[in-house]
Amino acid sequence: SQTIHQWPATLVQPVGSPLSLECTVEGTSNPNLYWYRQAAGRGLQLLFYSVGIGQISSEVPQNLSASRPQDRQFILSSKKLLLSDSGFYLCAWSVSAGLGYEQYFGPGTRLTVT
Amino acid sequence: RKEVEQDPGPFNVPEGATVAFNCTYSNSASQSFFWYRQDCRKEPKLLMSVYSSGNEDGRFTAQLNRASQYISLLIRDSKLSDSATYLCVVNSYAGNMLTFGGGTRLMVKP
Repeated sequence: SQTIHQWPATLVQPVGSPLSLECTVEGTSNPNLYWYRQAAGRGLQLLFYSVGIGQISSEVPQNLSASRPQDRQFILSSKKLLLSDSGFYLCAWSVSAGLGYEQYFGPGTRLTVT
Repeated sequence: RKEVEQDPGPFNVPEGATVAFNCTYSNSASQSFFWYRQDCRKEPKLLMSVYSSGNEDGRFTAQLNRASQYISLLIRDSKLSDSATYLCVVNSYAGNMLTFGGGTRLMVKP
């Protein structure tokens, strides 16, 4: 069965510091991968998605970037965090073909920028 | 207009009650529809996909009305454990992306 991992679970970082969040998926090949952010009390905002290694699409211009160095690895990064980057970061995967792309989420990383 | 709109609630209901949530979507080309459940400080989890003919899973029934562009979720015999935020989710034909509604919060009281 498929499993998705995210780490760390929680993170407290000062403004201006770098960020690296990692997501890995097991039990599937060539998944679509997604990064979302959920601010406190708000809905999910799609940040990036990837349909394959090295293929990244950005939905929202900001100081974040994403990379997919391996088929089942998705990394979210920032060179300098802002206070507004605080939130709940969720990685998700879906199958790579067909309609009805049900997405399955990892446990998330709760980031607080101080 | 938001792409997917939901009443944020909260809906406060007693155990055993029946509760219904509606959701409207703006893209008439949308092809796939889902309900997710999100517990406090947890990730969203797929509750059920919504098929054009409507579908039922135990105490949960989902309906789709394409003409009016709304989706509904009915929960019968509410349990305390049903307390959560329910997210209406729509997949547009154009790609692999899902659009999430802001969620409806349900609180089931003893």
